[in-house]
Amino acid sequence: DGGITQSPKYLFRKEGQNVTLSCEQNLNHDAMYWYRQDPGQGLRLIYYSQIVNDFQKGDIAEGYSVSREKKESFPLTVTSAQKNPTAFYLCASSSTGSSNQPQHFGDGTRLSIL
Amino acid sequence: QKEVEQDPGPLSVPEGAIVSLNCTYSNSAFQYFMWYRQYSRKGPELLMYTYSSGNKEDGRFTAQVDKSSKYISLFIRDSQPSDSATYLCAMSLNDYKLSFGAGTTVTVRA
Repeated sequence: DGGITQSPKYLFRKEGQNVTLSCEQNLNHDAMYWYRQDPGQGLRLIYYSQIVNDFQKGDIAEGYSVSREKKESFPLTVTSAQKNPTAFYLCASSSTGSSNQPQHFGDGTRLSIL
Repeated sequence: QKEVEQDPGPLSVPEGAIVSLNCTYSNSAFQYFMWYRQYSRKGPELLMYTYSSGNKEDGRFTAQVDKSSKYISLFIRDSQPSDSATYLCAMSLNDYKLSFGAGTTVTVRA
């Protein structure tokens, strides 16, 4: 079955710690995205990548970093500089980075502070 | 003012009723309009995807776009308890960037 796999499902971060969220897709999509979802707010874009070895900041990139070394993988690191990291993190992909290719989502990682 | 406004609900309806959801937006340049369904502790699932104005029907779901009023709607006919979820509207210009509503939580009572 083709899809987007996010792991882990739940993650806890200690103060001063960096944590990495995994996102893997087997849809052969070129574009991948990371969003953050907070209660009562729409999804907000953290980073996106249209192609391997290239990525751009979204609206709320501060305190986050990404890499795109392989087409199928787009890990997100939440650094200690992100002061309010508690949220539901969603990874998405689309065939290309244009708007006529809809984005499809994984089932998310819920990050909490210890 | 938010770019996309969506009534958070919650909305509770009896089984078999028509569910009506809507979003308003401020940017008249939006061209692509989407509705996603999100179950609790899951990722959003694409339900409907439309370009520009008009209606689109898929089974029990109908999406409407009125660009002159900057208003989009989703109707669910013959609602089922399995339709209980949060519904997110989203829209974009002509690139990758989606603007999302905050979501409306719907409960269909058996």
